[in-house]
Amino acid sequence: KAGVTQTPRYLIKTRGQQVTLSCSPISGHRSVSWYQQTPGQGLQFLFEYFSETQRNKGNFPGRFSGRQFSNSRSEMNVSTLELGDSALYLCASTGTGTGYNEKLFFGSGTQLSVL
Amino acid sequence: AQTVTQSQPEMSVQEAETVTLSCTYDTSESDYYLFWYKQPPSRQMILVIRQEAYKQQNATENRFSVNFQKAAKSFSLKISDSQLGDAAMYFCAYASGANSKLTFGKGITLSVRP
Repeated sequence: KAGVTQTPRYLIKTRGQQVTLSCSPISGHRSVSWYQQTPGQGLQFLFEYFSETQRNKGNFPGRFSGRQFSNSRSEMNVSTLELGDSALYLCASTGTGTGYNEKLFFGSGTQLSVL
Repeated sequence: AQTVTQSQPEMSVQEAETVTLSCTYDTSESDYYLFWYKQPPSRQMILVIRQEAYKQQNATENRFSVNFQKAAKSFSLKISDSQLGDAAMYFCAYASGANSKLTFGKGITLSVRP
């Protein structure tokens, strides 16, 4: 079974641009979560999608948005990029995401650099 | 709000020795889960071990075990017979039973000396 796939692996953008990151969960998984990892702030929860609906959201500005498609693939979008958005963005999937009796599987992340 | 604290930024252990990584957390919830994740240079987070708060017995997974002290809100990870492949960042994390969000500590970098 293929793991969680995130594309692209690396991305370089300039301030003010927007970016879209993609995450394909493990086949059969319906819950996809996104996390931002930076050296200063560590790992922070962005949002979670289940069956195409945002089920939970972290404390990030509205420039960060996401969506989930009917095949459970998810995208996150960051508009008007700022230097502080430079980070590793990790995606994780699980079957239903209802509590943690299920294992959470992470992808290898997308490293975003904003110049 | 729930918080997870890992106060040691780095630790080092001799190969084949035992090392303990510390973690404390704060919550007012009664139903929650605690985790240790490993992040090697490949960046992929790998679940090492999980503990349900309602279980008194400490979780174990081969060479990895935890010391879960619920009253003290402490959750340490013990790695026995350390191997070179154990070198990585280790994150302690918390999730409440009704919430799909993980709250992570800042992480600790573990190095293993041959």
